[in-house]
Amino acid sequence: DAGVIQSPRHEVTEMGQEVTLRCKPISGHNSLFWYRQTMMRGLELLIYFNNNVPIDDSGMPEDRFSAKMPNASFSTLKIQPSEPRDSAVYFCASSSRTANTEAFFGQGTRLTVV
Amino acid sequence: AQSVTQLGSHVSVSEGALVLLRCNYSSSVPPYLFWYVQYPNQGLQLLLKYTSAATLVKGINGFEAEFKKSETSFHLTKPSAHMSDAAEYFCAVSDTGGGNKLTFGTGTQLKVEL
Repeated sequence: DAGVIQSPRHEVTEMGQEVTLRCKPISGHNSLFWYRQTMMRGLELLIYFNNNVPIDDSGMPEDRFSAKMPNASFSTLKIQPSEPRDSAVYFCASSSRTANTEAFFGQGTRLTVV
Repeated sequence: AQSVTQLGSHVSVSEGALVLLRCNYSSSVPPYLFWYVQYPNQGLQLLLKYTSAATLVKGINGFEAEFKKSETSFHLTKPSAHMSDAAEYFCAVSDTGGGNKLTFGTGTQLKVEL
């Protein structure tokens, strides 16, 4: 398996623009997580899905952030409109609740909002 | 709520010396504990995990950790540091072994000197 695949790896956008981050989880995994990493706040969970259903979105900063998982092999995290304080590395991770596996992380998307 | 505390944001050791990275946890349920490593510009990779079986857990790259309930600790050790061990290390806690969210510590940057 190729692991968790995130795209793009790097994104630079202007303040106010819409940004969409994409994630393909490991095949067969039924849990998907979006984390954000910053120097100030470390690694924080934004949202996670089980069987494509959002379970906990309490970490989503505000209404500008939204996440979807239309099927078991794809998820998006959207920021609209983006702000400079959204600059961070965004990680997607997947795991199998059924097989009780640990979380496997993607390489991350480094977002810079100017 | 679950949490982990990593003592020491930066640790420096000489090559060949013992590595000790500290992690203390807080959990109202029997915890599942993890150590992840992050190399520059990479995602997180699992080093080892404790899932209530053996209290001494061996991981990859010669690392191991011991779960001590009485001390609420899960410190990471390696007998002999190698230059390639230089990275950031994160301790994390969950209430299940898989499919549930991880709560991360703030990380410890390990520097290995000649």
